[in-house]
Amino acid sequence: DTGVSQDPRHKITKRGQNVTFRCDPISEHNRLYWYRQTLGQGPEFLTYFQNEAQLEKSRLLSDRFSAERPKGSFSTLEIQRTEQGDSAMYLCASSSPDVQRSIYFGEGSWLTVV
Amino acid sequence: AQSVAQPEDQVNVAEGNPLTVKCTYSVSGNPYLFWYVQYPNRGLQFLLKYITGDNLVKGSYGFEAEFNKSQTSFHLKKPSALVSDSALYFCAVRDGNQGGKLIFGQGTELSVKP
Repeated sequence: DTGVSQDPRHKITKRGQNVTFRCDPISEHNRLYWYRQTLGQGPEFLTYFQNEAQLEKSRLLSDRFSAERPKGSFSTLEIQRTEQGDSAMYLCASSSPDVQRSIYFGEGSWLTVV
Repeated sequence: AQSVAQPEDQVNVAEGNPLTVKCTYSVSGNPYLFWYVQYPNRGLQFLLKYITGDNLVKGSYGFEAEFNKSQTSFHLKKPSALVSDSALYFCAVRDGNQGGKLIFGQGTELSVKP
């Protein structure tokens, strides 16, 4: 069990550029979640997948954001035309579908938009 | 809608003293409750959870939490605080009827002084 892996850990980008984050979940987990966390706040739910199906998207996930999990394994979160308000830590988590089981988080990907 | 409240932004405790970090929740279905800890610039680490059964649950690093259904609370406790416990603590609820995503509180910063 290698844990949830996220890449890159830090990204600085200019406003208007596109960025992509990758998440590799724990291998036997078929649920994958994306959260956003800004300084001083709790993590906010963005979206989740069960296998390759995206089952729920938050209203926070504007049309500039797109998440994919094409083969039901790793996932990508792309932000197009970044804005300064997108600066945050993007957290990925995974779990089994049993809601009594725990959800495990990666170390997060910090995004700074300048 | 499900929600979590952590009424204290910060808790200050002297090393060796007991600590309590408060959490109340609101959920329509069965409450599955979790505590996570976050160190600076890191992801979230799972501490403990309540699913069913004994109202007092024990977790990592000597932490425990007490589930109180009538007060809809799930306070985190530790009998003797350590300086190394200083971190940001998040309470979360996972509603089994809502796809299993976690909803987090705003977080409580715990500061343990020598």
